[in-house]
Amino acid sequence: RKEVEQDPGPFNVPEGATVAFNCTYSNSASQSFFWYRQDCRKEPKLLMSVYSSGNEDGRFTAQLNRASQYISLLIRDSKLSDSATYLCVVNNPNSGYALNFGKGTSLLVTP
Amino acid sequence: DAGVTQSPTHLIKTRGQQVTLRCSPKSGHDTVSWYQQALGQGPQFIFQYYEEEERQRGNFPDRFSGHQFPNYSSELNVNALLLGDSALYLCASSSRTGNTGELFFGEGSRLTVL
Repeated sequence: RKEVEQDPGPFNVPEGATVAFNCTYSNSASQSFFWYRQDCRKEPKLLMSVYSSGNEDGRFTAQLNRASQYISLLIRDSKLSDSATYLCVVNNPNSGYALNFGKGTSLLVTP
Repeated sequence: DAGVTQSPTHLIKTRGQQVTLRCSPKSGHDTVSWYQQALGQGPQFIFQYYEEEERQRGNFPDRFSGHQFPNYSSELNVNALLLGDSALYLCASSSRTGNTGELFFGEGSRLTVL
C-alpha cells in the first residue's frame, strides 16, 4: 500500500465552484501534513500546512482526521488561476527527513 | 533573493551514460534534498545532504550518488543510465531551523534517456 493516496482526478469545475480533494495516508504515526501545488511543468510549491484543528488560508481550508488517516483540501470560489495539480504530502517518523508525496490531483477551472 | 537554481534545465542522454545535475540552494539554506518525479507521479525522495554529508537516503540504487560543497550547493550523479531514469529531477532546499515540511524547489532538470 502506498504511503499517500489521493483522488485520481482530474477535476473539471467552473469558475466560482467549490471543490474538495481527499487524501489518505497509511502510517498512523504520521506527524506532519501539507498540501503542495504544482503548476504544469513547474516545481511544487507549499500551499499550506495542515494542522490537527484544521486551518484556513483565504479560500483554502485544510482538514485532518487522524482517526481515519484522512486529509482534505477545500477550495471555495474557484479561480482560473487555481488550475494546477495538488499534491498531498505526509511526513512520519519512519521517513525521517523525507517527505512522502501523493501522485497529485489535477484541477482544471474553466470559465 | 535568489531562489533554488538548477542546471541544466533539459538534457538528453543514452542508456549507459552518466549524468551530473547541479543545484544551488536558496540563500540562507543549508540543506539540500533531491527528488525524482516521473511523469504522472509525485516526487520521490532520493537523498538529503547536510553539512556536506548524505544525511538520509531513499530507496534508490547506488547508481545515484551526490555531493554537497562547502557553499551548500549540491550535485546529483547518476551512472549507467536506464530508460526508467527519465524523469524530472528536483532539488529542494531548506533550513534546519525552518518548518520541516517547507521545501523550496528549483524548476528541475528534465532528463530524457534514449
